[in-house]
Amino acid sequence: GAVVSQHPSWVICKSGTSVKIECRSLDFQATTMFWYRQFPKQSLMLMATSNEGSKATYEQGVEKDKFLINHASLTLSTLTVTSAHPEDSSFYICSARTVRVEQFFGPGTRLTVL
Amino acid sequence: AQKITQTQPGMFVQEKEAVTLDCTYDTSDPSYGLFWYKQPSSGEMIFLIYQGSYDQQNATEGRYSLNFQKARKSANLVISASQLGDSAMYFCAMRRVNTGNQFYFGTGTSLTVIP
Repeated sequence: GAVVSQHPSWVICKSGTSVKIECRSLDFQATTMFWYRQFPKQSLMLMATSNEGSKATYEQGVEKDKFLINHASLTLSTLTVTSAHPEDSSFYICSARTVRVEQFFGPGTRLTVL
Repeated sequence: AQKITQTQPGMFVQEKEAVTLDCTYDTSDPSYGLFWYKQPSSGEMIFLIYQGSYDQQNATEGRYSLNFQKARKSANLVISASQLGDSAMYFCAMRRVNTGNQFYFGTGTSLTVIP
């Protein structure tokens, strides 16, 4: 299957700082990327859908100004957690969709906000 | 709203035995896809099996098979000949075709294989 990478795989930051997470499709062009959030022992919750060259579509209850998503190219989408707080600590997973509609998941990024 | 329900928070199975993980879904979409993913402690989501809403036959992938009952809106995963490495979280997911192919996940089932 296709490969999706995320960077960093884990990050620890101080409260009030911003953190950027990258999601890359390594061997295919992803017209759409999705960002999920997963709390410990819970399910993946879709945060937003990101289409290349356009604004992201956020799910209900997700703060657009808090979680900035940029999909600047067909192989890269970034999620920036602005002014992070301890409650933003979570496991963030991206997925990328090919033109064939298949979806491949990244390995996830574990964010800890102190 | 789309909803995926997994009623078994935790399951135990003896090594080499078969186990069924339950999944029901609720949608009014005529076309959709159903998936099962395995998530080990490392966190990566590993694709296991896919069933399209129009597929007539149940999907099979090696030791995994999907018991698809469309009228009952259920898509149970059957793992045959369980192995110790099967211990993980298992998520059922539905992909909506009409609106950008978003995935919606169930709450997951933690499977523990006992030697």
